[in-house]
Amino acid sequence: GDSVTQMEGPVTLSEEAFLTINCTYTATGYPSLFWYVQYPGEGLQLLLKATKADDKGSNKGFEATYRKETTSFHLEKGSVQVSDSAVYFCALNSGGYQKVTFGTGTKLQVIP
Amino acid sequence: GAVVSQHPSRVICKSGTSVKIECRSLDFQATTMFWYRQFPKQSLMLMATSNEGSKATYEQGVEKDKFLINHASLTLSTLTVTSAHPEDSSFYICSATSGFSEAFFGQGTRLTVV
Repeated sequence: GDSVTQMEGPVTLSEEAFLTINCTYTATGYPSLFWYVQYPGEGLQLLLKATKADDKGSNKGFEATYRKETTSFHLEKGSVQVSDSAVYFCALNSGGYQKVTFGTGTKLQVIP
Repeated sequence: GAVVSQHPSRVICKSGTSVKIECRSLDFQATTMFWYRQFPKQSLMLMATSNEGSKATYEQGVEKDKFLINHASLTLSTLTVTSAHPEDSSFYICSATSGFSEAFFGQGTRLTVV
């Protein structure tokens, strides 16, 4: 079945540091890949997505590239801010009904 | 993006009572809705998939008699936690899709059973 593996957290960074959160996946067919963000006490928000190989999703300074050869979708940001502190979920969808399979989430804490 | 509204955002109930959580798609017709549960410090686990007008399909290990799901219209699905117990305390979140786009998530409901 489909699965998503992402690096365990928590990840603690200083403000303006470079962020990478690794994500790899296993899926049948050609899944769409997503990064969701969950701020403290809130629901999920779609951060970015990519629907086919070599696509790059980007939003709010975050980027991730769909790498089919390595089955990866690593999240990066060049300069994190305190307001980026949240839990980040890598996810995929390979079914026709948009059923989403999530990774375990990575908590990011950015300190001033 | 499309809006999915979930209500209530927080609820506290007594052990043994039932609680209903609503998930509404505000600006599109949701042919399929999903219910997830998030355990503390863990990921979201799919509980069930509901298609409008059909019985929900539950994931393995989810008690269908305890977590009643109704998807009576194209804009509303409800999750009822029956005879709630403290171990049912969790964060429940729904998502909805028209089938032609990504799934959009509600804000989630924090259920506390005391």
